[in-house]
This record gives sequence, structure tokens and C-alpha cells, in this order.
Amino acid sequence: NAGVTQTPKFRILKIGQSMTLQCAQDMNHNYMYWYRQDPGMGLKLIYYSVGAGITDKGEVPNGYNVSRSTTEDFPLRLELAAPSQTSVYFCASSSLLAGANTGELFFGEGSRLTVL
Amino acid sequence: DAKTTQPTSMDCAEGRAANLPCNHSTISGNEYVYWYRQIHSQGPQYIIHGLKNNETNEMASLIITEDRKSSTLILPHATLRDTAVYYCIVRVFSGYSTLTFGKGTMLLVSP
Repeated sequence: NAGVTQTPKFRILKIGQSMTLQCAQDMNHNYMYWYRQDPGMGLKLIYYSVGAGITDKGEVPNGYNVSRSTTEDFPLRLELAAPSQTSVYFCASSSLLAGANTGELFFGEGSRLTVL
Repeated sequence: DAKTTQPTSMDCAEGRAANLPCNHSTISGNEYVYWYRQIHSQGPQYIIHGLKNNETNEMASLIITEDRKSSTLILPHATLRDTAVYYCIVRVFSGYSTLTFGKGTMLLVSP
């Protein structure tokens, strides 16, 4: 299993540009999440999904959009990039299955985004 | 979810036990204590979790006080690769895990 895979690993955007951060997991997890981490800070939840077709806002959703058309994929869309969105973005997933659900989140390696 | 308090940083000599404290005095009866760590530039990694009994796995031990208001993560023989930020998180054990990560404790393991 590859686990949680994020692309791209690095990206530089100009103010006002749009882009999509891709996230895929091959563990058949129902739950997926997007976090952002600013320098020296903890992680903040942007959006999460409890299954295909179902998404909900986290702590800091403004400026972002998500979709969940399949169990495996959970892309994060930035429509009008702003310098405040410069951050490291982490995608994560967790299992629903009874007995397999320890509450453990599996994280990707992160996507570093710089908006200039 | 209950709030947690951790020291900003700690030092440990390689080969010695690292004991990382966490205060969660407002924890509720159905809330679990989770520990994650984040090695520089990587995604956080799950370490261990517990409700009220002490827990041990291949990575660490978790000691929870009887009143559950505090806990200690123990790395029995710290190595240089254990240098990381350690997050103590308290949450209800439910289907999805919208974990709230604070700033954690920066553990520096030195030779």
C-alpha cells in the first residue's frame, strides 16, 4: 500500500491564480481530511469528508473548496490564491470499519505552497 | 474536545528515557488521549492512545493518572530519530477524527 499520496510536493503560485492539491489513499478509508500548517504552528483543519459525496467545513475553510466523488480521492481547490494561503498542506485519512478504527489518522507527506 | 497543555520544548540524551508530560484537566469521561509526533517536514505520525489504563506498544508507553487529568508519553530509549514535535490530543472516540493539533512539545534528542 502506498498509503496517502499528495501531489504536488511543492508549488509556487502568483496571487489570484488557482490550483488543485491532489490527495489519494489506497486503504479504502471512508474518512479524509485536509489540514494546513503554518510555520511554527500546529495543524488546522480545513475540510473533511465522511464518505463519497459528503464533505464538511473544518476550522479554516475560507478560500478553499473540496469534492469527494470517489472513496480514494479528496482534492483541495484554491480558487484565488492569496499570500495568507502560503502554508504546508497535509491530507489524511482514517478508517470507519469497526474493530479497525483506532481513531488513527494516516497522513500524507505534505504539499508546500507558496503564494507570491 | 478538552484542551491540553504541553511544555514548549524538552531535551533528552540519546539512550535515556524521554518522558513527555501533558495536562488535560478538563477531560471528559468519554474522551481519549492520543499522541502523535511530527518529524521535521513530514506528516504527523500516530504513536499511541488510551482511555484510562496505561498502554504500551512498540513505539512508546502511555501513562494516564488515575484522575485522568494528566498523562505522560514515555519513549524508553530515545534515539536521534525521535527528535520531533510531539502532540498530545484529547478527543471523543467517534467515527471520524477531526483532531485539533496544538503547538506540541519539541523534543530534542542529543548524542
